[in-house]
Amino acid sequence: EPEVTQTPSHQVTQMGQEVILRCVPISNHLYFYWYRQILGQKVEFLVSFYNNEISEKSEIFDDQFSVERPDGSNFTLKIRSTKLEDSAMYFCASKPGGLIEQPQHFGDGTRLSIL
Amino acid sequence: AQTVTQSQPEMSVQEAETVTLSCTYDTSESNYYLFWYKQPPSRQMILVIRQEAYKQQNATENRFSVNFQKAAKSFSLKISDSQLGDTAMYFCAFFPSRYNNNDMRFGAGTRLTVKP
Repeated sequence: EPEVTQTPSHQVTQMGQEVILRCVPISNHLYFYWYRQILGQKVEFLVSFYNNEISEKSEIFDDQFSVERPDGSNFTLKIRSTKLEDSAMYFCASKPGGLIEQPQHFGDGTRLSIL
Repeated sequence: AQTVTQSQPEMSVQEAETVTLSCTYDTSESNYYLFWYKQPPSRQMILVIRQEAYKQQNATENRFSVNFQKAAKSFSLKISDSQLGDTAMYFCAFFPSRYNNNDMRFGAGTRLTVKP
C-alpha cells in the first residue's frame, strides 16, 4: 500500500538555524498538510496546501514557516531561525481529493530537536 | 469554538476485555466528519475509524466501534477483545465543517495501555 514518507526521521539543529523537513506524499494525492505535535501534547494543524498554494494556515504558521512543492513529488516545510519551542514531532499528511470523508494519510513524522 | 475534548488522559484495560474512550466536540455545523486515530509508540498516525455526522448508524471496523451521539456531540470509541498491540495514544479528530477540507482538529489524546 502506498505510504507518505518523511525524511529525516530525526533532525537535530542549533537554535537560530534553518531546517527543511521533507515529505513525499502518495503519488496521486492532491491535498497536503503539515501538523505539529509537541511532546506530550495534542496534534496541531499547521498548514494545508492544494494546487500549488496554501489553502489554510493556523496561527502557529507564522512568517517563520513556509511550504513548497518544488518538483511535483516533494512537499517541504521550512522553518527559518528555529527556536527552542519548535522542538516537536512534525507530521506530513496527504489525501487524494476534495471529498471531506476521505481520511488523511499520515507519514511517520520527523522528530525535530532544537538545541 | 470548534474544539475536541478527550477527558481521559490515561486508561488501562486487561487483554481480551472491552474499553471505551470518550470524546466530545463542539461545532455549530450540522454535517461533519469524525475520526479516531491511533498513535503507537512508533509515533505513526493510523486511522482507526471514521463517522459522518449525517449518518445515524454507528461505524464499526472489526474490533473497533463508535457510539456517536450527535445531540450530545459525543463520539466514543469502543475497543472489544483488547490486544497488546492496541497499546497506543488515541486521538479523536474531526473536520468541523462539511465544506472545510483543511483544518482537522484533534483532541489531546488518551493513552491506552493493554495489560497482559
